[in-house]
Amino acid sequence: SQQGEEDPQALSIQEGENATMNCSYKTSINNLQWYRQNSGRGLVHLILIRSNEREKHSGRLRVTLDTSKKSSSLLITASRAADTASYFCATDEGNGNKLVFGAGTILRVKS
Amino acid sequence: EADIYQTPRYLVIGTGKKITLECSQTMGHDKMYWYQQDPGMELHLIHYSYGVNSTEKGDLSSESTVSRIRTEHFPLTLESARPSHTSQYLCASASTLDYEQYFGPGTRLTVT
Repeated sequence: SQQGEEDPQALSIQEGENATMNCSYKTSINNLQWYRQNSGRGLVHLILIRSNEREKHSGRLRVTLDTSKKSSSLLITASRAADTASYFCATDEGNGNKLVFGAGTILRVKS
Repeated sequence: EADIYQTPRYLVIGTGKKITLECSQTMGHDKMYWYQQDPGMELHLIHYSYGVNSTEKGDLSSESTVSRIRTEHFPLTLESARPSHTSQYLCASASTLDYEQYFGPGTRLTVT
């Protein structure tokens, strides 16, 4: 069953602009994670936010979590061409063993 | 770069063939996973394992089987490949102490 829904499906911006991607989910979660996938490759973990956290930063990444709205957002500031990839949110429903992935947002950063 | 490997990276086979996709990790992780992903789409969990001799089916119905005889090795077998199995297969692992999953580069399978 699909847990996360991501919005937008695709995003095209100029280098230097900020990119915001949103994720909504349906059930209670233990934590929410964001992953990046370059074309034809495996996923790379970016950041994890726990259910009792509201905001987290890592370099140019900022993640927010609103458990009352069951939603999260990923902000990439000062984007670079190398940020071009697909971005997925994934939720851990509490057993710590399985993640449920959203459909992803395709980000294209034009130089 | 995660120490998790998948072979082959690309495979084209005919319908009805038996194939095994290999996945190995050198991080000593107890948890391992297989996902199926069509291009540009979400990941679907097809099998997972909590440790040696432990395997479970995931959320996506699959005609594949897995085994976990050694901690580092989690192969996936298709007994009789069909065109509907054409997809990318991603292997991942995770520590019991952590929630982050480490992914291999994937195997792109085409069944003709």
